[in-house]
Amino acid sequence: DTAVSQTPKYLVTQMGNDKSIKCEQNLGHDTMYWYKQDSKKFLKIMFSYNNKELIINETVPNRFSPKSPDKAHLNLHINSLELGDSAVYFCASSQEYLAGNTIYFGEGSWLTVV
Amino acid sequence: QKEVEQDPGPLSVPEGAIVSLNCTYSNSAFQYFMWYRQYSRKGPELLMYTYSSGNKEDGRFTAQVDKSSKYISLFIRDSQPSDSATYLCAMSPRGAQKLVFGQGTRLTINP
Repeated sequence: DTAVSQTPKYLVTQMGNDKSIKCEQNLGHDTMYWYKQDSKKFLKIMFSYNNKELIINETVPNRFSPKSPDKAHLNLHINSLELGDSAVYFCASSQEYLAGNTIYFGEGSWLTVV
Repeated sequence: QKEVEQDPGPLSVPEGAIVSLNCTYSNSAFQYFMWYRQYSRKGPELLMYTYSSGNKEDGRFTAQVDKSSKYISLFIRDSQPSDSATYLCAMSPRGAQKLVFGQGTRLTINP
């Protein structure tokens, strides 16, 4: 049973399109994240939600909009896709407010904008 | 200067060798230190977790933290081809929300 699952795994789309990536976790965690990994493997946090409430919103274009319908789901919607949005997007979860809690990642969604 | 520095490699060693992977950091508030392993086309998975300074051993893996030098290491003994992956260090002052990752070191173990 996959702990953090995200779909789709691969996505190829044209510039200007709008796309969504869905994420679900069955770990019972209260915090979920979206991370972006670029071609040089840098892994950077984009958003963090705790119990459906936005906690962290790093410097990300407002074309990116996360939505958390409940604490087990965190979706990422991207408007007006640009070439520079091509990257791997990882959903993750953790149980916050535990000292030293760690993050569990999904398998990633490979987004290619052409 | 990045908060966390990690040599991206690539690093290539023969099977059975001892591998040493390292990260340096600048934020003295970091207290929680982790190593993640990422196979190609997969998500990062937690390998080792250490709080504050000291050593931690788990099978063939040993994590070391030297807070006075702001330096952490991961040692892999008797390396296997299955250890070939990208290894990312990560650290946080408190909790997972403030986790900062290194760039990752790409490691290849040659049979």
